[in-house]
Amino acid sequence: TQLLEQSPQFLSIQEGENLTVYCNSSSVFSSLQWYRQEPGEGPVLLVTVVTGGEVKKLKRLTFQFGDARKDSSLHITAAQPGDTGLYLCAGSVLYGGATNKLIFGTGTLLAVQP
Amino acid sequence: KAGVTQTPRYLIKTRGQQVTLSCSPISGHRSVSWYQQTPGQGLQFLFEYFSETQRNKGNFPGRFSGRQFSNSRSEMNVSTLELGDSALYLCASSPSPLAGAFNEQFFGPGTRLTVL
Repeated sequence: TQLLEQSPQFLSIQEGENLTVYCNSSSVFSSLQWYRQEPGEGPVLLVTVVTGGEVKKLKRLTFQFGDARKDSSLHITAAQPGDTGLYLCAGSVLYGGATNKLIFGTGTLLAVQP
Repeated sequence: KAGVTQTPRYLIKTRGQQVTLSCSPISGHRSVSWYQQTPGQGLQFLFEYFSETQRNKGNFPGRFSGRQFSNSRSEMNVSTLELGDSALYLCASSPSPLAGAFNEQFFGPGTRLTVL
């Protein structure tokens, strides 16, 4: 059974602080995605990383895929209240031949206080 | 382009009843996946449909079923509801089937099901 553990589970910080969220597994993924989900809404895709060691930046967000493609991190610089939400990582695994499915992480609930 | 729509947004049922949830994917998207989200278990994959065929299935009992129509709209059905079925049910669409490295999915707002 593939599991994706995220840490921390909960994070409450002040506006302007930096933070890092981790996503770890013992399984290798062909790709890994990060989503943000706001209350009452579905998750929204932020980024997809494919290559081991890959780093992608999206404004104040920096995503890194581990060299062995088993883990990933999300770093937010100078957090703002608009960053508040549930952050989910999701790993893509091969299932039954040519099909893939997404395994979602346990989630990190971030609250940024103004 | 309109996003993924799900109906109804909220639903209250009692144990033993059955329920049908509906999902309309983004225009042109032919893959539809369903997920169950609960505080305890997180987001768990139910099944994926592409071209009216179920391609993929998660570890859920047979009470959970789905189907896809020729216009790519999808429905999922839960029979003999249990209290533990209370959850947010999310539908996600993708232009192509979940294969390869890029499984970019676009989620709907979900249907909040409460079983009393």
